[in-house]
Amino acid sequence: DTGVSQDPRHKITKRGQNVTFRCDPISEHNRLYWYRQTLGQGPEFLTYFQNEAQLEKSRLLSDRFSAERPKGSFSTLEIQRTEQGDSAMYLCASSFSGSDGYTFGSGTRLTVV
Amino acid sequence: SQQGEEDPQALSIQEGENATMNCSYKTSINNLQWYRQNSGRGLVHLILIRSNEREKHSGRLRVTLDTSKKSSSLLITASRAADTASYFCATDTGSTLGRLYFGRGTQLTVWP
Repeated sequence: DTGVSQDPRHKITKRGQNVTFRCDPISEHNRLYWYRQTLGQGPEFLTYFQNEAQLEKSRLLSDRFSAERPKGSFSTLEIQRTEQGDSAMYLCASSFSGSDGYTFGSGTRLTVV
Repeated sequence: SQQGEEDPQALSIQEGENATMNCSYKTSINNLQWYRQNSGRGLVHLILIRSNEREKHSGRLRVTLDTSKKSSSLLITASRAADTASYFCATDTGSTLGRLYFGRGTQLTVWP
């Protein structure tokens, strides 16, 4: 197992387009998190899955954002009608209940032009 | 608003010196964690300290927690150029299973 994988690493898109990111967590981990990080800031929570159930969504996650985790394995984060303010690093992390700490992926850097 | 705040925002030291970073937070916590982030990369978990612990060590890292002052410190001893990175504290308040609240981080630069 090579850790948490995110794809793509970089995405440049025009304003108004839809984008989808993928996260493959560590296979034994039942919890999966999406965070967003802008320059000079710490990561901000977006949403959280335990197995396939989405248990919490941040108010940061407007109706243009949707996340899924079918079958409790990989997860996708879709942003519809992208805006320049969506430009950020999107980080995925996974953990196992009761374990110490998250394992983060390398992130997907989104640039909306 | 962010739960944790690191201090200083930036720290510049020579190799071999110790680096101390502080974190203050606002509400009660289950645990506090420290992460490192190299430029443009994901975060790497360094150490977790639970609310009933006062000090924890891992290699060259020493973390303290003072719940009465709602503060924590991360000490890196005998720093190396490879320690250059941003360091974040993150708090688990227990409000959502495993959700973490991150500060803005301390940018540490270690000069060879």
